[in-house]
Amino acid sequence: GESVGLHLPTLSVQEGDNSIINCAYSNSASDYFIWYKQESGKGPQFIIDIRSNMDKRQGQRVTVLLNKTVKHLSLQIAATQPGDSAVYFCAENGNRDDKIIFGKGTRLHILP
Amino acid sequence: DAGVTQSPTHLIKTRGQQVTLRCSPKSGHDTVSWYQQALGQGPQFIFQYYEEEERQRGNFPDRFSGHQFPNYSSELNVNALLLGDSALYLCASSLWGGQGTYGYTFGSGTRLTVV
Repeated sequence: GESVGLHLPTLSVQEGDNSIINCAYSNSASDYFIWYKQESGKGPQFIIDIRSNMDKRQGQRVTVLLNKTVKHLSLQIAATQPGDSAVYFCAENGNRDDKIIFGKGTRLHILP
Repeated sequence: DAGVTQSPTHLIKTRGQQVTLRCSPKSGHDTVSWYQQALGQGPQFIFQYYEEEERQRGNFPDRFSGHQFPNYSSELNVNALLLGDSALYLCASSLWGGQGTYGYTFGSGTRLTVV
């Protein structure tokens, strides 16, 4: 069936260090993946996406890696800042006009 | 450019009652999707509306219904409320067949508490 899950529910990172948030998916037919950031009291905010024909995509301070062999997705945040504190969700969308399936989320804590 | 607007922001209802939540999509968007997010969980897809019709539906009972108006705004209705319906209800708008998920923009949600 369809499912997108996360390895760790909480991640604590020292300010200035790099953060890595992992995600596993089970639908081998998935061809499009998105990372969202959700701050308290707000809706999910788009961070970065990647299609299944790519292994890596970079944005501003963020990088998404896709390993289709083991059905694993990761989000790397460089030089983590206090403003990065939030819950991060990986999500899957098999068709760009289709529904988005979310995982449970990882809460990122930034240590001073 | 206004983003996705949801109302009300908070709502308290009694078990068995009915509730209507409202969503105005981002300017230029024509598709609205609704999600339910329980505390500590990821959002779960309820349904999606385009051209005033329900295009897709998730695993939610018929107590959950919706509507889309000619101006693309949308309503989510929940009948016979249960305690388990307490959640954050998110609306997302997008452009059908255009920007795809790049255009997928979420509102801040309506926090529904059923007592």
